Order: sequence, then C-alpha cells, then structure tokens
Amino acid sequence: AQSVSQHNHHVILSEAASLELGCNYSYGGTVNLFWYVQYPGQHLQLLLKYFSGDPLVKGIKGFEAEFIKSKFSFNLRKPSVQWSDTAEYFCAVLTDSWGKFQFGAGTQVVVTP
Amino acid sequence: DAMVIQNPRYQVTQFGKPVTLSCSQTLNHNVMYWYQQKSSQAPKLLFHYYDKDFNNEADTPDNFQSRRPNTSFCFLDIRSPGLGDAAMYLCATSSVQQETQYFGPGTRLLVL
Repeated sequence: AQSVSQHNHHVILSEAASLELGCNYSYGGTVNLFWYVQYPGQHLQLLLKYFSGDPLVKGIKGFEAEFIKSKFSFNLRKPSVQWSDTAEYFCAVLTDSWGKFQFGAGTQVVVTP
Repeated sequence: DAMVIQNPRYQVTQFGKPVTLSCSQTLNHNVMYWYQQKSSQAPKLLFHYYDKDFNNEADTPDNFQSRRPNTSFCFLDIRSPGLGDAAMYLCATSSVQQETQYFGPGTRLLVL
C-alpha cells in the first residue's frame, strides 16, 4: 500500500544540536515532497518542498532536505537547532497516482535550552 | 495579507447537535480541502472541492458534509457529532491539486 513513514515520533535534543528527521514513502513514480511544521498553537506552515531539479532543497529558518530517489527518502535536516524549533514536523507526499497529500504521522521535536 | 481563515477557532457542541465550521480564503485558489486532525496524528483528508466539483474520501463518514457556495468560502457540516468527532479541523487551499497546500489555523471542536 502507498504510505509515508516518519521514523521518530518524538525527538528531544539540546539547543545547538543537529537535527535530522527521516521520511520515507512507498511509490515508484513521480512525487512532490513537502515538509510542514506546526508550532504550538499555530497552523501548519510550509518549511520546504521538492518538485524537481536539485535534490537538496533549502527552506525557511535554516532547514534543508535531501531527496534520495533510490532510497525513497526525503529527510529533513538542520545543523544547529534553537529552542524556537520546538514543534511538530510533518512530511507529506503528493503523487500523480494519489492526487492528494499523504501525510506522515509527524515527529514531535522538543529543543531544550 | 492573503490567507486562509477559519471560524470559529474553538467550537463546543453537544452530542448529536449539528455544527458548522467555516473556512474562507483570499488566495483565490481553485481547490479547498477539509482535514480532521486528532491529537498526535497526521491530518486526515475528509474531502475537497476543485472549483465546484466535490470529492469525498471513501472513508469519510456520512455524518460529514461540505458546501462551497463560492470560490472564497467552504463549510464543514457535522450533522450529528459524536464524542469521536472531537478533533482539530483544518481547512487548506491550493491553486491546483498538484500544488502546495496552505493551511488555516484550524477549528478545535469539543463534543460534550
């Protein structure tokens, strides 16, 4: 079945640590890939997206993600997190087959001072 | 600023009492979506409109209905809310179906 998997449900790390969140999907065709962030009490906001071209995409607030087609992955990274990065992060995949977003279950990230 | 607006932000209703949630957008997008998001879960698509064409997800209960009277507005009607319908309801829009979706702040529904 077509699906999107986020490997970690909860991540706790200290300020200045590096962050990497995994996202894998199961679909062999063309995909559009997204990472959304939901800060406490706020709405889902787009962090970055990949449609085509350079597989390393840069988003807002110092985030980047790398699309590795052979691994069906789109992992999110930030070299040095801040307390304000505490939020829930959702990977989403859009395919021509599904015609709609398929969200991962989300990863709750807590950054401690 | 162009945005997706949802009203109210919090809604309390009684078991079985119909409730309507509202979404409006100033982005002039063709597609509007309604999602249900329960605590610590991914948003789950209920249905979407492409212009006036309504697309219901196969597993969306009949209890949930939607109306889109014009491009800017879309409503979610829950005919007989049950305790299990308590959730955050998210509205989103996109210019076309294969594009970035922009989300509203959500309406948190509490069913007593």
